[in-house]
Amino acid sequence: HLQLQESGPGLVKPSETLSLTCTVPGGSISSSSDSWGWIRQPPGKGLEWIGTIYNSGTTFFNPSLQSRVTLSVDTSQNQISLRLKSVTAADTAVYYCARHGLDTTVLGGENYFDYWGQGTLVTVSS
Amino acid sequence: DIQLTQSPSFLSASVGDRVTITCRASQVISNYLSWYQQKPGKAPKLLIYAASTLQSGVPSRFSGSGSETEFTLTISSLQPEDFATYYCQQLNNYPLTFGGGTKVEIK
Repeated sequence: HLQLQESGPGLVKPSETLSLTCTVPGGSISSSSDSWGWIRQPPGKGLEWIGTIYNSGTTFFNPSLQSRVTLSVDTSQNQISLRLKSVTAADTAVYYCARHGLDTTVLGGENYFDYWGQGTLVTVSS
Repeated sequence: DIQLTQSPSFLSASVGDRVTITCRASQVISNYLSWYQQKPGKAPKLLIYAASTLQSGVPSRFSGSGSETEFTLTISSLQPEDFATYYCQQLNNYPLTFGGGTKVEIK
């Protein structure tokens, strides 16, 4: 059972940069076929996909956040990182990292999220 | 972007009831759809992917069906641990998008 663990500051000031790390303790993220996503959920609201990064470095972003988001992966540290710059109160949310599942035996067996971290609440406030 | 519309947004049901949640996509997504269950304070849990493939370890009372633009999640006999919020997600195109959620509460 793959475990993912988000970490980072729980409080960020407006206009600053939110930085989070997702670690896979005891596991390995070095498979070239693996890809990882970040999803967020404002308090009391639904889920919003932020972006996805492959171990190859290829990235995809939510257009609404693309200009402010950076994703990176460090396979030597088993870590995936998220940076979101110029934050506002609207960026207050629980942030999750998750692994993209892949099942090549069925049509449609990709891009779902099969393993999730427990989530970390980030509050943007001065 | 592909919009996903879930209905109902809220559902009140009793233990043992058969429950159906619908997810409609704004364009054809073949069977590139997944379903998640989320309980308060917890991360979402994958139930179904590829519209109808049950994730390993998920009880067989959960089932998914549909293709193209209309999909359903069915719980054949609602159990106390099933009271939660359910989300669909389309997997066909970036940006990946989620439905607005369906909260299932105890009647």
